[in-house]
Amino acid sequence: DAKTTQPDSMESTEGETVHLPCSHATISGNEYIYWYRQVPLQGPEYVTHGLQQNTTNSMAFLAIASDRKSSTLILPHVSLRDAAVYHCILRSNNNNAPRFGAGTKLSVKP
Amino acid sequence: NAGVIQTPRHKVTGKGQEATLWCEPISGHSAVFWYRQTIVQGLEFLTYFRNQAPIDDSGMPKERFSAQMPNQSHSTLKIQSTQPQDSAVYLCASSLQGGDTQYFGPGTRLLVL
Repeated sequence: DAKTTQPDSMESTEGETVHLPCSHATISGNEYIYWYRQVPLQGPEYVTHGLQQNTTNSMAFLAIASDRKSSTLILPHVSLRDAAVYHCILRSNNNNAPRFGAGTKLSVKP
Repeated sequence: NAGVIQTPRHKVTGKGQEATLWCEPISGHSAVFWYRQTIVQGLEFLTYFRNQAPIDDSGMPKERFSAQMPNQSHSTLKIQSTQPQDSAVYLCASSLQGGDTQYFGPGTRLLVL
């Protein structure tokens, strides 16, 4: 699976809308974009995923660039509970297991 | 649905001893993944089973580490002759088929003294 690039950290304040970027310039046509988040002392938790179209669920909005070389996870009205490390990874339905990078550590101030 | 179950949650072992970690995937999931997480190395992939068969073990250290999946309801990760550098949180995840959403367990925190 292709590699992703994310900023090491981002800061926000409660109530703000946060945009978490992810670059995946070498993404293949059959690769899905997955986002997970991880808080201390817990395993990663699935947030959302998409292939080409923007997607939305109760946790976040995923905006995918038209050329699919980048995506942005949008967290509306963040709270302290949204402070976590957010991982962007690419998955294809093949025999390769996903590798996680360092992700983006999101800090949320009161 | 209890989610992925990992036991024990914490394990302290002496250097040179053996440690066996257990993972029970979500019922109906055919794929199981093992990862190791430390502050220094982050989240490292170890090995992956699908339908109980090993698919990718490229992340497994060549010595002392082994993993099995004897049936669809559990997988084990065994570390022989544990060393202090094996101290980490070992995470297990399962997914329905393999290329889809992973669901992680709470992890086993291993401390080798």
